Amino acid sequence: AQSVTQLDSQVPVFEEAPVELRCNYSSSVSVYLFWYVQYPNQGLQLLLKYLSGSTLVKSINGFEAEFNKSQTSFHLRKPSVHISDTAEYFCAVSVPFSGGYNKLIFGAGTRLAVHP
Amino acid sequence: NAGVTQTPKFRVLKTGQSMTLLCAQDMNHEYMYWYRQDPGMGLRLIHYSVGEGTTAKGEVPDGYNVSRLKKQNFLLGLESAAPSQTSVYFCASSYPSGQTEGEAFFGQGTRLTVV
Repeated sequence: AQSVTQLDSQVPVFEEAPVELRCNYSSSVSVYLFWYVQYPNQGLQLLLKYLSGSTLVKSINGFEAEFNKSQTSFHLRKPSVHISDTAEYFCAVSVPFSGGYNKLIFGAGTRLAVHP
Repeated sequence: NAGVTQTPKFRVLKTGQSMTLLCAQDMNHEYMYWYRQDPGMGLRLIHYSVGEGTTAKGEVPDGYNVSRLKKQNFLLGLESAAPSQTSVYFCASSYPSGQTEGEAFFGQGTRLTVV
């Protein structure tokens, strides 16, 4: 069965420090990988995705994630965080499901708290 | 762009009451989903629909029913609410597989408390 593990439930960090949010997945089939961000009292928004090609993918606001097939990981990184990055981050995998549908499986989430 | 709109945003129910959550999307997406979000558990799929008139069970369907009479709308019903259904509910929609490979667009959520 497919699953997603986010290794840290909370990550406190000071502003302008680097951060890494870890995500590991298990799947016997090829997957597509996503990071979603949820700001307080809002829905989830797509941050970045890996479908194929280059294993390093980047978002417009400075986050990047690297797909590592051998370690089944898709860790999210940012070299210098801002207060506005405070949010909950969800790693997700998209896997084939019944009827040709692709199902999104989410991790439990990592709460990133950026302090001044 | 409205995207995915959920109503209501907040609701308090008494045990045993019923209610319907409405989700509407204006992106002409085929697929729609209902998730619940609970602390430390991420998002769990309740029901989903791959097209107008079709619905299917997800991971945690018990106690919920759904209908997709129109392509743009996906309704989630609670027939007899229980405290265990206290949660934040999210609706999402997406294109079929092969177009965006599962990328989903989410509504703002409905915070439901059952007392």
